[in-house]
Amino acid sequence: EDQVTQSPEALRLQEGESSSLNCSYTVSGLRGLFWYRQDPGKGPEFLFTLYSAGEEKEKERLKATLTKKESFLHITAPKPEDSATYLCAVTTDSWGKLQFGAGTQVVVTP
Amino acid sequence: EAQVTQNPRYLITVTGKKLTVTCSQNMNHEYMSWYRQDPGLGLRQIYYSMNVEVTDKGDVPEGYKVSRKEKRNFPLILESPSPNQTSLYFCASSLYGTAVNSPLHFGNGTRLTVT
Repeated sequence: EDQVTQSPEALRLQEGESSSLNCSYTVSGLRGLFWYRQDPGKGPEFLFTLYSAGEEKEKERLKATLTKKESFLHITAPKPEDSATYLCAVTTDSWGKLQFGAGTQVVVTP
Repeated sequence: EAQVTQNPRYLITVTGKKLTVTCSQNMNHEYMSWYRQDPGLGLRQIYYSMNVEVTDKGDVPEGYKVSRKEKRNFPLILESPSPNQTSLYFCASSLYGTAVNSPLHFGNGTRLTVT
């Protein structure tokens, strides 16, 4: 059965303290892996798409990487505004199904 | 402004009383989808639609119906709601689906409570 597992469930960081979130997946024929950010009371907001092992994407303090079994979201020198729940999702077909992990809640304190 | 609009934001109802949650997008997107979000379980896909009159089941379709009569609208229908359908629901859309570089745009959610 396809599975997407995110760890840790929660992460508390001091401002400036870099860290990484993990998304491991066991699916057949990955077509794409996505990272989203979700703020309280809002819908998820798209961050990155990764398609093949070895691929990397960057946006401000965030960097996403992909291997054949997992993806990492690296947060470099985080700020309080990076506090959010980060979700990863995978798809194995071109059009329809998308499977999300349970998310990692990140809190960055000043 | 490009957006996905869900209504209502909050809904409290009783077991068995039919309800509809509306979803509308103004981006001319082909693909639309419904998810429910529960603590510890993350987002789970209920139904998705690749175009008008084309819909398919996601991972948790039981107890839900959808229709796609127009490109911009994708309502979620609960014919006979039960307490285990109490959840936070999200509608999302994208230009061409999930595997090409067309990110999902989400609405702000509908919190449903079934008593």
